[in-house]
Amino acid sequence: DVKVTQSSRYLVKRTGEKVFLECVQDMDHENMFWYRQDPGLGLRLIYFSYDVKMKEKGDIPEGYSVSREKKERFSLILESASTNQTSMYLCASSWDATKAFFGQGTRLTVV
Amino acid sequence: AQTVTQSQPEMSVQEAETVTLSCTYDTSENNYYLFWYKQPPSRQMILVIRQEAYKQQNATENRFSVNFQKAAKSFSLKISDSQLGDTAMYFCASRGLFTGNQFYFGTGTSLTVIP
Repeated sequence: DVKVTQSSRYLVKRTGEKVFLECVQDMDHENMFWYRQDPGLGLRLIYFSYDVKMKEKGDIPEGYSVSREKKERFSLILESASTNQTSMYLCASSWDATKAFFGQGTRLTVV
Repeated sequence: AQTVTQSQPEMSVQEAETVTLSCTYDTSENNYYLFWYKQPPSRQMILVIRQEAYKQQNATENRFSVNFQKAAKSFSLKISDSQLGDTAMYFCASRGLFTGNQFYFGTGTSLTVIP
């Protein structure tokens, strides 16, 4: 089975800190995604990557950046964390259009 | 771009009964996939069922089936013989086959199975 692993399940950070959320997949997938999940808003795409060093903005990229130096790893970076970035963050990967595989999620709280 | 709409934020069903979750979508593409994902309280999102838009036959996976109405752009999920383990958030999603890489998700329906 495909495994998508997010480095933390729970994270508490202070306002203004630089925050790194890491995601690793073990199936050589081309595509990787970072979503933000908020109640009543569903999953909103922050960024996705379709190859090493390639990235595209999603629907809500402001305040975030990403890095994909190796195919298996896709990092989400909050340059200067703010309280309105408190949320659940989900990483996903896919080979094609037939299925996306998700990590277990990271609950980030910014205080 | 594609949009996915789930108009039922919360639903409940008695154990062993049948429940239907609604989803509508909008896309300009001819070839696409539609999905229902389940997110239990443990949070790992898992695929429940998938429908290929060019297939007329509705997909079925054990107790889960869909009613795919392509002209109406409707994609509902029917859960038969509901079990306590079906309690979860359910997300409807779509993705074009050839254009773009993004999966588009609805806002979710929180389903509670009552013993």
